[in-house]
Amino acid sequence: EPEVTQTPSHQVTQMGQEVILRCVPISNHLYFYWYRQILGQKVEFLVSFYNNEISEKSEIFDDQFSVERPDGSNFTLKIRSTKLEDSAMYFCASSGTGGTGNTIYFGEGSWLTVV
Amino acid sequence: DAKTTQPNSMESNEEEPVHLPCNHSTISGTDYIHWYRQLPSQGPEYVIHGLTSNVNNRMASLAIAEDRKSSTLILHRATLRDAAVYYCILRRNAGNMLTFGGGTRLMVKP
Repeated sequence: EPEVTQTPSHQVTQMGQEVILRCVPISNHLYFYWYRQILGQKVEFLVSFYNNEISEKSEIFDDQFSVERPDGSNFTLKIRSTKLEDSAMYFCASSGTGGTGNTIYFGEGSWLTVV
Repeated sequence: DAKTTQPNSMESNEEEPVHLPCNHSTISGTDYIHWYRQLPSQGPEYVIHGLTSNVNNRMASLAIAEDRKSSTLILHRATLRDAAVYYCILRRNAGNMLTFGGGTRLMVKP
């Protein structure tokens, strides 16, 4: 079964450093997303991406965050200058088409620890 | 997005059916009812979704009340692997994002 894959599975970084989390969405999908989950808390939406541009973003997704689809297969989340509070599990997701009935498929997550 | 209300936790015995309730009294006519689950240390996983009619798939069944103000996810025979947090989510906006609440933590006893 097709799946969303994420790398790295776990990254430890120093505060202030830049981090790039990578994702390979399901190959024929058109919508891409990043979510995060701080330990013990809810899954939170960060950003959605369609047709090479951001279609929606949450208040969490400030100027420190950016997303990119550098080629036909990868989708990345960059955090420019990490803070302690960015420590969380980051989930990439993708869906095939728009519409509220459509299924969103999630990856296994990248666990980011900022020290 | 419209709000959903779920019990914080539920317990079940292995190999018995489980009925996970969800209230969504402010649902609008175009809202789909989605269920996702999150196993420990994993990403959310799609379970099932529906609009008005009851739905079945290989994982579960979704029973939707006639007025659509509540729904029930049914696991026909719970296994230990079904222990997870189950989220009932209404999808309304055109942006396709999912808004996760606290969900129901299902514990399955052997």
